[in-house]
Amino acid sequence: GAVVSQHPSWVICKSGTSVKIECRSLDFQATTMFWYRQFPKQSLMLMATSNEGSKATYEQGVEKDKFLINHASLTLSTLTVTSAHPEDSSFYICSGAGPSRGYTFGSGTRLTVV
Amino acid sequence: QQQVKQSPQSLIVQKGGISIINCAYENTAFDYFPWYQQFPGKGPALLIAIRPDVSEKKEGRFTISFNKSAKQFSLHIMDSQPGDSATYFCAASPNFGNEKLTFGTGTRLTIIP
Repeated sequence: GAVVSQHPSWVICKSGTSVKIECRSLDFQATTMFWYRQFPKQSLMLMATSNEGSKATYEQGVEKDKFLINHASLTLSTLTVTSAHPEDSSFYICSGAGPSRGYTFGSGTRLTVV
Repeated sequence: QQQVKQSPQSLIVQKGGISIINCAYENTAFDYFPWYQQFPGKGPALLIAIRPDVSEKKEGRFTISFNKSAKQFSLHIMDSQPGDSATYFCAASPNFGNEKLTFGTGTRLTIIP
């Protein structure tokens, strides 16, 4: 089946630094990549939607200058959390999607900002 | 109108019993209704999904029941096992693979011996 490889699985960074999370669709072309954030014991909250070669569309309340999304190819999308702060600590999940493939989720990245 | 309401928030079922989780939606444009299973520290994994042209879909111990007129769908887990203990999310999308999924709030299922 379809696989989305997400790295790193966990990361600890110092406040003020930037962190990049990478998602690769291994055996299909993800025309769309969805990025979610999940707080403990809560549902997935969509942050942004990106299509290959286009600027990402951010959900209301999500700072686009803080959460930089790049979807450079049909198999790679990245989320960079810039100038991270402790309140950015969360579980980030990507989902690659395509018209005939549906939605395939990555395994998630646990970000802890200290 | 984009909401998907899920209940219960948590559920405890004895091993071998039937686990039932319910979801309701408002947006009649939704045409894809998946259920996801998520273990702690992992991404959601697709369990089973249904389109509105059928009222029921069964895969092994998992069954989706879909009521289009009531705008409700439910997940039934037969012969529940301790390994089924996880958080379950229903979701819906108006355009399979092209538009975002709207998720329910999740149900934490615990199967006890």
